[in-house]
Amino acid sequence: QVQLVQSGAEVKKPGASVKVSCKASGYTFTSYGISWVRQAPGQGLEWMGWISAYNGNTNYAQKLQGRVTMTTDTSTSTAYMELRSLRSDDTAVYYCARDGAVAGTYEDPWGQGTLVTVSS
Amino acid sequence: DIQMTQSPSSLSASVGDRVTITCRASQSIGSYLNWYRQKPGKAPKVLIYAASSLQSGVPSRFSGSGSGTDFTLTISSLQPEDFATYYCQQTYTTPLTFGGGTKVEIK
Repeated sequence: QVQLVQSGAEVKKPGASVKVSCKASGYTFTSYGISWVRQAPGQGLEWMGWISAYNGNTNYAQKLQGRVTMTTDTSTSTAYMELRSLRSDDTAVYYCARDGAVAGTYEDPWGQGTLVTVSS
Repeated sequence: DIQMTQSPSSLSASVGDRVTITCRASQSIGSYLNWYRQKPGKAPKVLIYAASSLQSGVPSRFSGSGSGTDFTLTISSLQPEDFATYYCQQTYTTPLTFGGGTKVEIK
């Protein structure tokens, strides 16, 4: 079955970086994209950006431009999301989700989520 | 950015009730509208895509309608597993944006 498995929880200090992985299985990785969505504690969903697993093209949310980098490793069917210069308001559960070959089809399925806590 | 406004933000209902949730976009988005259900502590799951298409494996009690700026998600007969939070999402243009969510609670 189609499945996305994410890396484990992280605790980081303000100003540090975090890199979350998302390993895909059960489908042809390069035929789809991956979107990243985050959810702060008790809050709604925020789309962070999308990457094509076919050619590595990216589309980032403007508010995160310059701090976020999304990459893929097609040899291991794994997507990565790196967020730099972390702040306390980056504390959230980070989800990867399979998306279409272009950004914004629909996200399905989703990974289990990775809690990133930013605290001094 | 396109703003998505859901109403109500929460509702109480009983098993078997018919429930309707609305979502309004700040500009016309055609049919580029998805609906997700998120159970507590779990990842969201798509229910409806392209405003009215039922995702494979999703029960037929879920239906979606609307186009342009106004959309509706209807649950024809609420089941215990449907007590959750529902989000709409526009995919007309990036950044993709979500509504604030509608929490469906047990009456």
